[in-house]
Amino acid sequence: AQSVTQLDSQVPVFEEAPVELRCNYSSSVSVYLFWYVQYPNQGLQLLLKYLSGSTLVESINGFEAEFNKSQTSFHLRKPSVHISDTAEYFCAVSDFGNEKLTFGTGTRLTIIP
Amino acid sequence: DAGVIQSPRHEVTEMGQEVTLRCKPISGHDYLFWYRQTMMRGLELLIYFNNNVPIDDSGMPEDRFSAKMPNASFSTLKIQPSEPRDSAVYFCASSPVTGTSGGNEQFFGPGTRLTVL
Repeated sequence: AQSVTQLDSQVPVFEEAPVELRCNYSSSVSVYLFWYVQYPNQGLQLLLKYLSGSTLVESINGFEAEFNKSQTSFHLRKPSVHISDTAEYFCAVSDFGNEKLTFGTGTRLTIIP
Repeated sequence: DAGVIQSPRHEVTEMGQEVTLRCKPISGHDYLFWYRQTMMRGLELLIYFNNNVPIDDSGMPEDRFSAKMPNASFSTLKIQPSEPRDSAVYFCASSPVTGTSGGNEQFFGPGTRLTVL
């Protein structure tokens, strides 16, 4: 069975500072990895995903995540955060050939002006 | 496209009443998912459909919950009878089938906030 661990439930960061949101997963098979973002009172939106190829994937708004198979991690990073990045971030995993996603418990990112 | 549409956006009901949540997926999407989000349990997959057929309902909490997808453009999640512990935000999501088996983006609706008194 799959599982996703997001160790940090809340991360406060000063504006323009860097941030890392941690995600570890466990699975007995090969996986796809995702980060979704949820802004207040909205549904989730895909931020980025890893399917294959380069282990570093990027989003259009400056976030990046690196797949590390040996450490079973998929941490999300941004070198300089903005107020608009305030949201909850969810890491998720699916097995190859399976559309079912297993989500982590989420990390609430708060940007301090 | 208008995205995934859910109705109602808010529902307040009393314990014991029947509740029906509705979802219209994005046209052309083959998969439809129902999730429940609470502070205590996070985001849980309840059930998902492929081409209107239920594939995995292992997340449905108990017999009080049922879901249907009578056609490609409509799905319902019904709770009968409702209980206070069912209070949560319920999300519907849909995804297309692309060349990759698995790994497709899920598009979420805005959610229905259910309060059972």
